[in-house]
Amino acid sequence: GNSVTQMEGPVTLSEEAFLTINCTYTATGYPSLFWYVQYPGEGLQLLLKATKADDKGSNKGFEATYRKETTSFHLEKGSVQVSDSAVYFCALSNDYKLSFGAGTTVTVRA
Amino acid sequence: EAGVAQSPRYKIIEKRQSVAFWCNPISGHATLYWYQQILGQGPKLLIQFQNNGVVDDSQLPKDRFSAERLKGVDSTLKIQPAKLEDSAVYLCASSSRLAGGQDNEQFFGPGTRLTVL
Repeated sequence: GNSVTQMEGPVTLSEEAFLTINCTYTATGYPSLFWYVQYPGEGLQLLLKATKADDKGSNKGFEATYRKETTSFHLEKGSVQVSDSAVYFCALSNDYKLSFGAGTTVTVRA
Repeated sequence: EAGVAQSPRYKIIEKRQSVAFWCNPISGHATLYWYQQILGQGPKLLIQFQNNGVVDDSQLPKDRFSAERLKGVDSTLKIQPAKLEDSAVYLCASSSRLAGGQDNEQFFGPGTRLTVL
């Protein structure tokens, strides 16, 4: 079956620090991969996505590369801001279903 | 463009009571999903509709949960009777892409936080 494993949190960083959240997956076939973000008090929002191997998704300074050989889709940002404080979810889509990881809470301090 | 709307935002009930949640998807989106998100976990799909038909309800606890989307637009999710373990956030999402597509971008509502005492 499909499953997503992501780095446990919480993660606390200072502003301008480098952020990495690890995500690995198990799936049959060729899934699409996503990162969703949930800001405090808001719904889930799509942050970025990649639909095939070696694709790089990027948005708001965040990047993730679809690595089929390591079944990974790690999220990175070079310089975080306080406004990046949120819960980040890695997810995959195979057939019509989205399977989510457990989420990683990130807190950025000024 | 208006997003996915859900109500109520919060609900507190006692166990064995019933509760209903409402969702209005983005206009024109054929596919609608209900997810359950327990604290500390990722969302888990409960049921998926395409227009007014059920595509997948394999994870829906049918002895107590029911959902409908009568006119292919709004949807309601009901729990009757509620148990303590039903305490969670219930998320509604919609997608314009038909079931079977790989690029399954879903748009989520703000969720309803249910507390069962």
